[in-house]
Amino acid sequence: QTVVTQEPSFSVSPGGTVTLTCGLSSGSVSTSYFPSWYQQTPGQAPRTLIYATNTRSSGVPDRFSGSILGKKAALTITGAQADDESDYYCVLYMGSGISVFGGGTKLTVL
Amino acid sequence: EVQLLESGGGLVQPGGSLRLSCVASGFTFSSYAMSWVRQAPGKGLGWVSGISAGGTRTFYADSVKGRFTISRDNSKNTLYLQMNSLRAEDTAVYYCAKGPYGDYSNWFDPWGQGTLVAVSS
Repeated sequence: QTVVTQEPSFSVSPGGTVTLTCGLSSGSVSTSYFPSWYQQTPGQAPRTLIYATNTRSSGVPDRFSGSILGKKAALTITGAQADDESDYYCVLYMGSGISVFGGGTKLTVL
Repeated sequence: EVQLLESGGGLVQPGGSLRLSCVASGFTFSSYAMSWVRQAPGKGLGWVSGISAGGTRTFYADSVKGRFTISRDNSKNTLYLQMNSLRAEDTAVYYCAKGPYGDYSNWFDPWGQGTLVAVSS
């Protein structure tokens, strides 16, 4: 059973930069997994930030960027703002129509 | 503008059935893969099921395989999720999400607002 790993929580100062990661319990993440990232605030539907590793969804500011860093996919937020405080989820496509979500990272901006 | 509108959620007893619908607009529905994703109360997101653009290929998470059936009616721009033999652990908000062009939901963009399914006696 493949597990997608994310940091449970992270904090960043306003105006700061933070990088969240998305890994595999076994193996390395590559672009072949089409890593994607989603932002969710309580009571709201998820919002797509990044798909296919580094493509920003429509309307997403360029403060959000995606990449592969070492063995993991990464979401970097620069110039963090108060309304970036949210849960962030990554998804990896495992092939054969199957996608797996990470457990999510709760980001605090303080 | 792409819009996805789910409906069909509600309270159902364990062992019961429910059918969710998702009406899509703002894009050529028949050209895109679609998926259902759920979120149990206080928990993270979890992929449930996906379907190819033409509806000929379907995919399921192990937790729902054999109990849930995904389908689509491209003439009505509507995605469905038939849920049978429901369990308490199926209680969640169910989201409909648009995938990429083609057969596989490599990612989800955008999402509907969700519909709540509660399984309880």
